[in-house]
Amino acid sequence: EVELVESGGGLVQPGGSLRLSCAASGFTFSEYSFNWVRQAPGKGLEWVSYISSSLRTIYYADSVRGRFTISRDNADNSLYLQMNNLRDEDTGLYYCARDAVDTSGYHSLDNWGPGTLVTVSS
Amino acid sequence: DLQMTQSPSSLSASVGDTVTITCRASQTIYTYLNWYQQKPGKAPTLLIYFTSTLQSGVPSRFSGGGSDMDFTLTINNLQPEDFASYYCQQSYDTPFTFGPGTKVDIK
Repeated sequence: EVELVESGGGLVQPGGSLRLSCAASGFTFSEYSFNWVRQAPGKGLEWVSYISSSLRTIYYADSVRGRFTISRDNADNSLYLQMNNLRDEDTGLYYCARDAVDTSGYHSLDNWGPGTLVTVSS
Repeated sequence: DLQMTQSPSSLSASVGDTVTITCRASQTIYTYLNWYQQKPGKAPTLLIYFTSTLQSGVPSRFSGGGSDMDFTLTINNLQPEDFASYYCQQSYDTPFTFGPGTKVDIK
């Protein structure tokens, strides 16, 4: 069974840093691409970042580019999101989501973790 | 960036009803459109990808359609477990933007 479990969230002051992790199991991690998606309290979904299975392709939303860094460790079956210079508006539940990108480049997020809560507040 | 809109933002319906949610892209996305369901306090789940292909395990009362800029999600014979929020997402180009969501609740 596919399982994704995020960790690393917490309360941080504006300007601070956090590193989120996503532990994967139940499938061959190295064969899949991944995304981070966040959801502010009571709001909709916002796509944050993408990393390909080979690590060759990485994308970011404009709102986080230059502050967040996505990475992965295929040997450890783990996905990461390093978040620096955090702002109030970064507050939310952060989900890691597996990307079932196919050979034609079609992306869909077919499995999600339960999320980890990040609160940026002074 | 591609923008996604959805209508309505919320709707009330009864068990057994048929409901249709509309999603519109700011430019053509061909059929690069996914639909997700999110229940309160839970992570989203993939319902439909490539506009009309049901994800494994999704009941056949869900269907998707459309192309280019205009898309629909239809739920026939609405069941109690279908009361949730629904989001469209374009996967044609980054950022992979989501629509603002449609909340379906019980009338």
